[in-house]
Amino acid sequence: SAVISQKPSRDICQRGTSLTIQCQVDSQVTMMFWYRQQPGQSLTLIATANQGSEATYESGFVIDKFPISRPNLTFSTLTVSNMSPEDSSIYLCSVRLALAKNIQYFGAGTRLSVL
Amino acid sequence: AQSVTQLGSHVSVSEGALVLLRCNYSSSVPPYLFWYVQYPNQGLQLLLKYTTGATLVKGINGFEAEFKKSETSFHLTKPSAHMSDAAEYFCAVSPISNFGNEKLTFGTGTRLTIIP
Repeated sequence: SAVISQKPSRDICQRGTSLTIQCQVDSQVTMMFWYRQQPGQSLTLIATANQGSEATYESGFVIDKFPISRPNLTFSTLTVSNMSPEDSSIYLCSVRLALAKNIQYFGAGTRLSVL
Repeated sequence: AQSVTQLGSHVSVSEGALVLLRCNYSSSVPPYLFWYVQYPNQGLQLLLKYTTGATLVKGINGFEAEFKKSETSFHLTKPSAHMSDAAEYFCAVSPISNFGNEKLTFGTGTRLTIIP
């Protein structure tokens, strides 16, 4: 497995502001993903973070709202922009490792509340 | 296209009793199958996985699951429930890939409650 460090672990934000979430991995990574988990629900894939290029977004998610960067193989950020209370969720970073390509590991998540 | 169905959004068992969490999948190609657990206020932890080989797979914390192709099922079991097993459990599926670039599809989750 790997150590996946996600920061911040939780935050309370005002509507209209933006929050950037960081994900750092201590192993060689092939793929990085960002998920959203709304209260009491399952995980929804937001996007696949691509190194050095634009992320690949799933249907219903757009770059203007969720800009993603991945400047190197082991680090990525997700920004939640112009937040509203509907953005209150857990945001999870997930990776696949070079030595275990078909297994996905998850960070501890960022618990976001928007007032 | 793939899908995962977890029967029972909430399951309650007595401490020491058998735990059975159900997962059925739909996939047009042979899949990889996973169970993840999410403890309160934590991320997802991989419990066990089926990729190839033996259809009965053992995971952490005494859990195991059996891949039954004829039933398209991958039910999770534990012979004796412990209070620490209380958590949310997610079944997930992805197509087999040599490149590791296939997406995971998650079920809706089952919340397991243990009754003292």
